[in-house]
Amino acid sequence: GAVVSQHPSRVICKSGTSVKIECRSLDFQATTMFWYRQFPKQSLMLMATSNEGSKATYEQGVEKDKFLINHASLTLSTLTVTSAHPEDSSFYICSAHRLAGDTGELFFGEGSRLTVL
Amino acid sequence: AQRVTQPEKLLSVFKGAPVELKCNYSYSGSPELFWYVQYSRQRLQLLLRHISRESIKGFTADLNKGETSFHLKKPFAQEEDSAMYYCALRTDSWGKLQFGAGTQVVVTP
Repeated sequence: GAVVSQHPSRVICKSGTSVKIECRSLDFQATTMFWYRQFPKQSLMLMATSNEGSKATYEQGVEKDKFLINHASLTLSTLTVTSAHPEDSSFYICSAHRLAGDTGELFFGEGSRLTVL
Repeated sequence: AQRVTQPEKLLSVFKGAPVELKCNYSYSGSPELFWYVQYSRQRLQLLLRHISRESIKGFTADLNKGETSFHLKKPFAQEEDSAMYYCALRTDSWGKLQFGAGTQVVVTP
């Protein structure tokens, strides 16, 4: 099946620094990727839709200047958490949409756990 | 407003017993619904989508538009079914999903 890879899987950083998380579709092209945030024992909350070659679309309440998304190629989207603070500590998950027929299917990355000290 | 509701946070069942995970949705358009499963320490993966009408790993789910439900069922639970299950509603053509809160299933021998 299709594979989506996230890197790094775990990252620990100091408060005030920026962290970049990569999401790659390894064996298919994805014009659209999605970034989610998952708090412990809670559901996935959609943060933004990443569109190749254009600006990301952010969900209500998500700070676009805080969570920078870049989708520069058909196989890579990056999420940069700028000036990270402890409250940004979370599990970040990406998914990539693979077109197939009329609909397509979403494939999820393994997630990236961010801990901000 | 679109919404996906999974009322049960935790379902504990014995091996061999039937299991049903409830999912209700609210959506003004034509719904496309999915069940995703997340096994311990693994990524989220698709279990079922209502349009394919498949049975995967013994699980089935029927879309009931009258009751706005998409409950997941399995007649005989197995220990390997222990996982987190999410019901999801697709809200655009590119795969944007709204997830329910999730139901943790624990199957005990």
